[in-house]
Amino acid sequence: SQKIEQNSEALNIQEGKTATLTCNYTNYSPAYLQWYRQDPGRGPVFLLLIRENEKEKRKERLKVTFDTTLKQSLFHITASQPADSATYLCALDTGGFKTIFGAGTRLFVKA
Amino acid sequence: NAGVTQTPKFRVLKTGQSMTLLCAQDMNHEYMYWYRQDPGMGLRLIHYSVGEGTTAKGEVPDGYNVSRLKKQNFLLGLESAAPSQTSVYFCASSYRLADSETQYFGPGTRLLVL
Repeated sequence: SQKIEQNSEALNIQEGKTATLTCNYTNYSPAYLQWYRQDPGRGPVFLLLIRENEKEKRKERLKVTFDTTLKQSLFHITASQPADSATYLCALDTGGFKTIFGAGTRLFVKA
Repeated sequence: NAGVTQTPKFRVLKTGQSMTLLCAQDMNHEYMYWYRQDPGMGLRLIHYSVGEGTTAKGEVPDGYNVSRLKKQNFLLGLESAAPSQTSVYFCASSYRLADSETQYFGPGTRLLVL
């Protein structure tokens, strides 16, 4: 079955540093991959989408890479701020109308 | 635009009781989804709809029913609630581009089944 893994341990970093979150998947070849942000008590909010033929996508301080050979995506937040503290979810397209979501990685940015 | 709204925000049920969760979207999206989110697990798809009057099963449909009588509304029903259905329920809607889609989520409904 399809499996998507994100680091279950929280990531703690200092303000101003770059946060890097990892998403690994198996048993599938998604046409695209997405990253969402989820704050406590709220629904996920879309951040970035990267297609299988794209190696890298950027949006302001965010950068996503997609390595279909390694079956891995990396999500980077540069110059991190305390306001970036949240849980970040990776989501894979599995075809049709079904997207599978990882459990997410919680990020804490200390001032 | 309100986006995706969900009612109620929080509910406590006793085992065996029934309830309906309402999801509404004002973005004219064709596709709507119901997920549940449990600690340590990703969002799991319960049911989805690709248009008014159509519904389909997702990954964990047992114990739930849905209806999409109007394009803007997607209802999730629990006929006989069980403690295993204690969870946070999220509704989402989306439109599909030629090769991708992005989902817009509601704020969630916290359900506790005693």
